[in-house]
Order: sequence, then C-alpha cells, then structure tokens
Amino acid sequence: EAGVTQFPSHSVIEKGQTVTLRCDPISGHDNLYWYRRVMGKEIKFLLHFVKESKQDESGMPNNRFLAERTGGTYSTLKVQPAELEDSGVYFCASSLGLGWEQFFGPGTRLTVL
Amino acid sequence: EDKVVQSPLSLVVHEGDTVTLNCSYEVTNFRSLLWYKQEKKAPTFLFMLTSSGIEKKSGRLSSILDKKELFSILNITATQTGDSAVYLCASGGYQKVTFGTGTKLQVIP
Repeated sequence: EAGVTQFPSHSVIEKGQTVTLRCDPISGHDNLYWYRRVMGKEIKFLLHFVKESKQDESGMPNNRFLAERTGGTYSTLKVQPAELEDSGVYFCASSLGLGWEQFFGPGTRLTVL
Repeated sequence: EDKVVQSPLSLVVHEGDTVTLNCSYEVTNFRSLLWYKQEKKAPTFLFMLTSSGIEKKSGRLSSILDKKELFSILNITATQTGDSAVYLCASGGYQKVTFGTGTKLQVIP
C-alpha cells in the first residue's frame, strides 16, 4: 500500500515568490494534516482537513498561507509571497479516523533565499 | 498552550545498551500519546498509547503511559546501530497533534 507522498522533495525559491506544495494522502484517509518544522524547533501543526473541509486551521501562521483540498483527495499548500522565515520542512500526514494514528509523508524542504 | 517536553535532547550509547527516552505533556483534550521514529525523511509510527499502565511492545521497543503523571517512556533494549534516529513524542487531541522537539539517539558499534 502506498504511503503518504509529497511533492516536491525540496524547493528553493526567492523571497517574494510563490510556492505550492502537494500532498497525496493514503487512499481512503479522510483526515489530512499539514505540519511544519523550522530549523531547530519542534514539528508544529498547521491545519487539518476532513475530506475537503477545513476542521482546524489554527496553526496557519498568516494569510500568506493557503491550503486547499478540492475533491477531498490530494491537498496543496500555497505560500504567497514567501518570506525568509517560511523556510523549513513541511510535512503532510493522513489518518483513517479522527484521533487515529497519523502517517507522515517524507516532507518537502522549502528554502527561501 | 499545549506542550510536549522530551528528554534527553540527545543520547549516545553503545550497541547492546538499553535506553529510556522520556516524554512529558500538558495537553487539553488529551486523547493519545504517540511515538515516532524519524531517520531521514518521514516520521514513522511506533506506538499509540491511550490507557495508563498498559505496556505496548514491538520487538525490542516498548512504551508505557502514565496519565496521572502526564508522562510516557520509550524503552529500547539491546540497541543496534539501526536504532539511531530522532525519536519524536507527540500528544494527540481529537484533531491536531503536538510534538516535542525529539530525542536524538546515536548508537555506536
């Protein structure tokens, strides 16, 4: 069974540019989560989808971040315009049910220069 | 604010040693305590603990939760070089999961 996949593995962009990260959850997992780890800090929750609906986006840093999950399958996280402090590793996770174990993707490393 | 604290931050041991990793948490709407192993990329799931005092085991790894003391430990016996990784503890509510900073374990031959 395929796990959670993320694309790209690594993205290097300049400050002010736009980047879109993609996450494909495990098939059949309605719950999809985005997390971020900035250098030297712990992994922090960003938001949670159940199917196509945002359940909790309390961790989104600011309105430069936009997450979507049209159709309730894959999700995208867009950062526009990117700032230096957005650099980090963005993880996606999915779970079968609410409160069930979350399975993580390999992460996308974002570097903003 | 929800908080998960892990100790030690890092650990170097020799193959064959037994290690104990600690995790304390302060979380509203607590539902579960999770342990993950992160080597290079994705954190891989190890255990989910929801009840106090019940040990979960998987090979040389075991973990237990104390909901009264808000504490969990992860034990690894007879460590091997392949156990070298960052071990993440996370406390799950009904939705988001709060992570600790991790314990970096290095097992040397």
